[in-house]
Amino acid sequence: AQTVTQSQPEMSVQEAETVTLSCTYDTSESDYYLFWYKQPPSRQMILVIRQEAYKQQNATENRFSVNFQKAAKSFSLKISDSQLGDAAMYFCAYMRETSGSRLTFGEGTQLTVNP
Amino acid sequence: NAGVTQTPKFQVLKTGQSMTLQCAQDMNHEYMSWYRQDPGMGLRLIHYSVGAGITDQGEVPNGYNVSRSTTEDFPLRLLSAAPSQTSVYFCASSPRQGSGYTFGSGTRLTVV
Repeated sequence: AQTVTQSQPEMSVQEAETVTLSCTYDTSESDYYLFWYKQPPSRQMILVIRQEAYKQQNATENRFSVNFQKAAKSFSLKISDSQLGDAAMYFCAYMRETSGSRLTFGEGTQLTVNP
Repeated sequence: NAGVTQTPKFQVLKTGQSMTLQCAQDMNHEYMSWYRQDPGMGLRLIHYSVGAGITDQGEVPNGYNVSRSTTEDFPLRLLSAAPSQTSVYFCASSPRQGSGYTFGSGTRLTVV
């Protein structure tokens, strides 16, 4: 079974600074997808970024980017120019290519942004 | 578009009661899923569907039933509520394999 590990239960960053959230996963598959979701205090789950494993280029969405290291099975999220609105729980998630779109989530990292 | 709509937002049940959590999406998405979120455990898949008439079990299916008679609706039924089912429940939908999911706003369920 696939597992997703987020080793940092809590992180903090100063406003305008950069922070990196870590995620590792375990799989024997070669084709899969990786995601980062954000859950603010409102409880809503919001898709931040998506990576296809067959693409070597790291995905980027505005201030959010990933460092995808397929051989190391690592998928970290970098948030640049952190804003107060970035404060949330962040979940890393894995989806196998032939899994019926089933997501496996990590336990989450609570990010605090200090003014 | 309303996206993914879950009702109710909050519910308190007594042990042994049954109920249905409603989920509807208006995006014509083929894939739909139910997850539960417990503190310190992330989200875990309960049941999922890859299209109308097709459902399958996820990681934690015991005590729950689903059906998918239409593309739009994917209700989750608790057969006989137990305190261990106290959780936040999320419904989500996706247009195709590999796409990101759109989540509903969740239902906080407490079983006493």
